[in-house]
Amino acid sequence: GAGVSQTPSNKVTEKGKYVELRCDPISGHTALYWYRQSLGQGPEFLIYFQGTGAADDSGLPNDRFFAVRPEGSVSTLKIQRTERGDSAVYLCASSLTGEADTQYFGPGTRLTVL
Amino acid sequence: AQSVTQPDIHITVSEGASLELRCNYSYGATPYLFWYVQSPGQGLQLLLKYFSGDTLVQGIKGFEAEFKRSQSSFNLRKPSVHWSDAAEYFCAVGPSYSSASKIIFGSGTRLSIRP
Repeated sequence: GAGVSQTPSNKVTEKGKYVELRCDPISGHTALYWYRQSLGQGPEFLIYFQGTGAADDSGLPNDRFFAVRPEGSVSTLKIQRTERGDSAVYLCASSLTGEADTQYFGPGTRLTVL
Repeated sequence: AQSVTQPDIHITVSEGASLELRCNYSYGATPYLFWYVQSPGQGLQLLLKYFSGDTLVQGIKGFEAEFKRSQSSFNLRKPSVHWSDAAEYFCAVGPSYSSASKIIFGSGTRLSIRP
């Protein structure tokens, strides 16, 4: 079956611009997660959705970052006024229920802020 | 605060040799523990996980890991590595008192295989 998909695979933008990154989870998975992976580091938790609501957004670094999941399926991570330090690979994962389930990761979106 | 330490940034082993990747965690209670592998151009893939019970956990691709509470360790092992095992390996910890949503990853160990 289809895994987690993310679009675009690569995004290059200029400092100060707004970007949206999309995640399509595995069908039927109620839990969805966003992580950020900087070069040479492990993934860093950003936000966790259970259904349509953000159950834990404690990893979002500041108010320039926002994520939505309006219908409990596809999610969009939105970054306003991008900064060069936002350059990273943004990973999305989904799991069946969110309660200690295996998280299945997508291939990521590589964001480069010039 | 939770933390995960992978002390080896890069390890090279010969094909057919045994492998052990180290992982130490800091957490007050018994955590959920994971090992993930990330190959170039591939997404993160779960190798194995420990929640409770038998402290020796078997995973995919011939990997196993042992939870040692006294040492706060969860080392990954494989008796005989294959060239296809070359990848980045991440140890991770999740909370045990609630859902395992907020997983903390280590910084990874890059494994190279010598022919």
